[in-house]
Amino acid sequence: GAVVSQHPSWVICKSGTSVKIECRSLDFQATTMFWYRQFPKQSLMLMATSNEGSKATYEQGVEKDKFLINHASLTLSTLTVTSAHPEDSSFYICSASPPLGTDTQYFGPGTRLTVL
Amino acid sequence: SQKIEQNSEALNIQEGKTATLTCNYTNYSPAYLQWYRQDPGRGPVFLLLIRENEKEKRKERLKVTFDTTLKQSLFHITASQPADSATYLCALSRGFNKFYFGSGTKLNVKP
Repeated sequence: GAVVSQHPSWVICKSGTSVKIECRSLDFQATTMFWYRQFPKQSLMLMATSNEGSKATYEQGVEKDKFLINHASLTLSTLTVTSAHPEDSSFYICSASPPLGTDTQYFGPGTRLTVL
Repeated sequence: SQKIEQNSEALNIQEGKTATLTCNYTNYSPAYLQWYRQDPGRGPVFLLLIRENEKEKRKERLKVTFDTTLKQSLFHITASQPADSATYLCALSRGFNKFYFGSGTKLNVKP
């Protein structure tokens, strides 16, 4: 099946620094990827839709200047948490969908971000 | 905005029994509904998708029903096993793979 990877799997950073998380589709091309965040014992909250070659579409309430998304190729999307604060500590998960013909999205393993 | 509700209390059942999980939604008319399994510290894993014009879908020990009148989906695991213990999430979409998730129900299958 389709595989999506994320890097790093976990990261600890100091408040005020920026952190970049990568999402890669390993065996298929994805024109669209999605970024979610998940707090403990809560569901996945869709943050934004990442479109290859164009600007990301953010969900209501998600600051686009805070969470920068770049989808530079058909296999890579990056999420940069800028000027991170402790409240940004969360589990960040990306997903990607193979080309037309499927309604399924495949999730990465997630990245645990802890901001001190 | 859409509201997706899953039972927040854990479901505890005995091995071999059928587990039934519920997903209710309001303020939404999904074209697709999916069920995922999520283990602690891991990303969700896709299990089943059902479309709005489908009443039921089966895959091995799994069965999903979709009632658009009741705005409800039921997810069944027959002959449950301890390895089925996980959190199960439902997700709704109108298309283009943009899904909104419920909070999940934790299933504990005891040997």
